[in-house]
Amino acid sequence: GAVVSQHPSWVICKSGTSVKIECRSLDFQATTMFWYRQFPKQSLMLMATSNEGSKATYEQGVEKDKFLINHASLTLSTLTVTSAHPEDSSFYICSARPTGVVSGNTIYFGEGSWLTVV
Amino acid sequence: AQKVTQAQTEISVVEKEDVTLDCVYETRDTTYYLFWYKQPPSGELVFLIRRNSFDEQNEISGRYSWNFQKSTSSFNFTITASQVVDSAVYFCALSAFGGFKTIFGAGTRLFVKA
Repeated sequence: GAVVSQHPSWVICKSGTSVKIECRSLDFQATTMFWYRQFPKQSLMLMATSNEGSKATYEQGVEKDKFLINHASLTLSTLTVTSAHPEDSSFYICSARPTGVVSGNTIYFGEGSWLTVV
Repeated sequence: AQKVTQAQTEISVVEKEDVTLDCVYETRDTTYYLFWYKQPPSGELVFLIRRNSFDEQNEISGRYSWNFQKSTSSFNFTITASQVVDSAVYFCALSAFGGFKTIFGAGTRLFVKA
């Protein structure tokens, strides 16, 4: 149980284009999902908290107009990197927190998406 | 403020050795959760364990064991008889009870050599 699927796993896009990454909770509902960014050999940096049916909450220093987050249903959140630049190249990973307290704040992660902007 | 410190950046062991990964945390919350996640070279994060702050019982799961000591704010992770497949980055994390944000340590990269 508690499977989170992220798609695509790998994406290469041209500078200036936009790319969308999907995060789905397959066997549970998630009112809250999180988007992280990870640079090589570094820890996870929380970018934003995605709340179903409402606006995402962005961490300080994260451009909300560049990293658009939509959480349209209890099982799907999307991250769109707009007007991508090479410095946006990174590993993006989402996580989902099952609705309810049973899970005790445990978040389950997707497989991650490698974005390369050329 | 919450903080998780994993002082060991990299550890290298030979297969079958025991290895302990250290985790020290800081929080002002009286109730909280602690976690360990594994990130193999493929990239995905795998949930290993969750521990409530009011439960200091140590836990063992196969070759994995965890030692939670509130008095020293530590939540250490031991792998017994390590195997090559244990090679990965291991993250310790902290989340306040009822809170949503999970704070991660910097991670410890474990190399297990055959």
